[in-house]
Order: sequence, then C-alpha cells, then structure tokens
Amino acid sequence: AQSVTQLDSQVPVFEEAPVELRCNYSSSVSVYLFWYVQYPNQGLQLLLKYLSGSTLVKGINGFEAEFNKSQTSFHLRKPSVHISDTAEYFCAVSDLRNQGGKLIFGQGTELSVKP
Amino acid sequence: GAGVSQTPSNKVTEKGKYVELRCDPISGHTALYWYRQSLGQGPEFLIYFQGTGAADDSGLPNDRFFAVRPEGSVSTLKIQRTERGDSAVYLCASSLTSYNEQFFGPGTRLTVL
Repeated sequence: AQSVTQLDSQVPVFEEAPVELRCNYSSSVSVYLFWYVQYPNQGLQLLLKYLSGSTLVKGINGFEAEFNKSQTSFHLRKPSVHISDTAEYFCAVSDLRNQGGKLIFGQGTELSVKP
Repeated sequence: GAGVSQTPSNKVTEKGKYVELRCDPISGHTALYWYRQSLGQGPEFLIYFQGTGAADDSGLPNDRFFAVRPEGSVSTLKIQRTERGDSAVYLCASSLTSYNEQFFGPGTRLTVL
C-alpha cells in the first residue's frame, strides 16, 4: 500500500521569497507522483505530475518539483511566490498500472503568502 | 468546455436520513472517481468506476455507502442512515481513461446534524 506524508501543515512566507513544500511517499511498487492545488472555495487543480523520464518536472504558475527515488521524495518548489499562490497544496501518488489511477493524497500544506 | 459538476454544492441533513450526491463528469471521460475530504485532511479515495462498473470500491467505509453509474456518465453517491461522522466535502473526479489526469469537481459539502 502507498502512503504520502507532507511534512509541513502550514508554511508562511513573504511575497517574492522562495518556497519549498515537502512530500515523502512510501510504496512497494513504482508510483506516479502529483501535486494538486486547492484555492479557497475552488476544486483541486493539477499543478504538475511525474510519470517517467526527467526527474525535474515543471508545472503551471512557475512551480517545479523534483523526484528523488532514493529519498522517496517529491518536493515542490517555487523561486519567488506571489500573494495569489496562497492556497492548500496536496501531494499525491498513484500506481496507475495496477490500481486504476486512484490517488492517495497527503494531508496537505497550507501556503500563506504575506505582503 | 464544461468541467466536472457536482450537485448540490451544499447539503444539510439530519442524522439517520438518506442522501444522494450527484456527479456529472466531463463528456467522454470513461473513468470516474469519488473522494471524501474531511476538515484539515487530504482527499480520501472512496470508489472508482470504469464505464458503468465499479472497478474498485475498496475505499467505501461501510455498507451505508453505495455509488452507481448506470449509463457510464453521471454517477450518484448514496449514503444511508447518515451519521455525524459522514460530514465532509465529497469530491468527484473524471479522466479520459484511468491512465490520464483526473479533473476534479468543486465538491459537495455534506453536513449531518
């Protein structure tokens, strides 16, 4: 069975500062990895995904994440955040080949960008 | 084009009542997923449909929960004898196939008094 741990429940940061949201996973099989964002009163939106290939994945809104198989991590980064990045961020894993794509989510990290 | 829609957006019910939550997936998407998100938690998988059949219902918490997708499009999540612990946001997602990106609806907030 897979599981996801997001190491920080809340991350406060000032506008234009860099940010890293941490995600670790455990799985006995190869997985696919995702980051979703949930803006206040909106549905989940895919930021980026890792399926295979380059371990550095670029997503929307200037976010990127790096897959590290040895450390079983998939941390999300942005070099300079904006007020509009304030949202809840969820890391998720899936074993697409065997489990029909169901996603296992972490508990979320609340990113709060302050002016 | 239209995204995933869910109705109602909010549902308040009393303990012991029966509720139905509806999901309209993106047209042409064969895979449909239900998740439940409790306050302060990440979404938790409930059930997954491929076409009309439930391919994986391992996340349904107990036999009070049931879901159908009779024509391979709209799905209904049914909860019998609701309990206060069922209060959560119920999310629906669809994807072109089970190997593609999932698109989420805005959710139905269920409150059981």
